[in-house]
Amino acid sequence: LAKTTQPISMDSYEGQEVNITCSHNNIATNDYITWYQQFPSQGPRFIIQGYKTKVTNEVASLFIPADRKSSTLSLPRVSLSDTAVYYCLVAEGYGQNFVFGPGTRLSVLP
Amino acid sequence: DAGVIQSPRHEVTEMGQEVTLRCKPISGHNSLFWYRQTMMRGLELLIYFNNNVPIDDSGMPEDRFSAKMPNASFSTLKIQPSEPRDSAVYFCASSPTGGTHGYTFGSGTRLTVV
Repeated sequence: LAKTTQPISMDSYEGQEVNITCSHNNIATNDYITWYQQFPSQGPRFIIQGYKTKVTNEVASLFIPADRKSSTLSLPRVSLSDTAVYYCLVAEGYGQNFVFGPGTRLSVLP
Repeated sequence: DAGVIQSPRHEVTEMGQEVTLRCKPISGHNSLFWYRQTMMRGLELLIYFNNNVPIDDSGMPEDRFSAKMPNASFSTLKIQPSEPRDSAVYFCASSPTGGTHGYTFGSGTRLTVV
């Protein structure tokens, strides 16, 4: 399983765009990159998944460079409710057993 | 769909007692995972089932822990005997086999062993 590295914490203000970068230097050819969000007292929630280039949904965008050794989760115009822990995971798409790292604790300030 | 359903939401038990946590995965999902979360160790994968068969239980901390999946709609995680260090939030998650949509987690069971 590819090891990932993310910043432990980040602070932002309401209305700003937040970019969280994850490093995964030993990503394998079959690996997908998936991001999860976890609020206190809840299970992690799927945000977005990608393999290469850019993926966008109603919640976030995921940017993956050509070498796929890193990825950036972009949250547009964050609000206080986006305060959570964000996890980057890298694993194959089939029957995968995801290993969660410590994640990035995002604090959105008023 | 009601999502992944776990019960109970909270469990307080005395050291030495048996604890059984329950999980109902999303219908049609063929993979089921049990995780444990603590402040110190974060999210740890305990065991993973595919089509009701345990595939990887290397994360189960010791013999006191056991997990079963008798059918596609039900799984249990049992701790016997329980110890204070087992106190944690236990999450169950399911995903479609071969799917690339990631996991869906349940709301978790907060276990306190006193």
